[in-house]
Amino acid sequence: DAGVIQSPRHEVTEMGQEVTLRCKPISGHNSLFWYRQTMMRGLELLIYFNNNVPIDDSGMPEDRFSAKMPNASFSTLKIQPSEPRDSAVYFCASSLFETGELFFGEGSRLTVL
Amino acid sequence: GQQLNQSPQSMFIQEGEDVSMNCTSSSIFNTWLWYKQDPGEGPVLLIALYKAGELTSNGRLTAQFGITRKDSFLNISASIPSDVGIYFCAGAPNAGNNRKLIWGLGTSLAVNP
Repeated sequence: DAGVIQSPRHEVTEMGQEVTLRCKPISGHNSLFWYRQTMMRGLELLIYFNNNVPIDDSGMPEDRFSAKMPNASFSTLKIQPSEPRDSAVYFCASSLFETGELFFGEGSRLTVL
Repeated sequence: GQQLNQSPQSMFIQEGEDVSMNCTSSSIFNTWLWYKQDPGEGPVLLIALYKAGELTSNGRLTAQFGITRKDSFLNISASIPSDVGIYFCAGAPNAGNNRKLIWGLGTSLAVNP
């Protein structure tokens, strides 16, 4: 079975540019999560969706960050405009609502110069 | 945000040795999860615990949900080089949303062959 699929795996961009990260959750999972991982702060939950509906976006750092889930098999995390402090690894994870056991993608490593 | 106290922060051991790491919280959790992250990859679920006192094994790995519901430990027996990685604990607070896991900062494990 295919796991959570994220793209791109790596992105290097310049400050001020728009960044879009993509995620395809595991088929049948009804919860989707976006995390950010840095050495200083570890894993931080940015936002999560249940049945494609955003439930809690309190972890989204600023208005520059936005996330959408137009259907059960696709989600995007957008940063506009990007800043150097946004450099991190961004993970998408999915789960069945009932278990809460997260399955992570391989991550998107973002570097903003 | 809230974080678990995970210790030790890092370990360097000889192949064949047993390993023990733990997580503690000031509040009660109703779920404990243990993950392993290899370099360049996303965290992978090792063991999930749902009941106080529960002891669960997965091969050479054993984890327990503390009786007080405020702690959990993970043991690795007879370590091998492929055990190298970062191990994370995560918990779901009793009073909170099961979807918002609280994460430890990780235990980095190095195994000398």
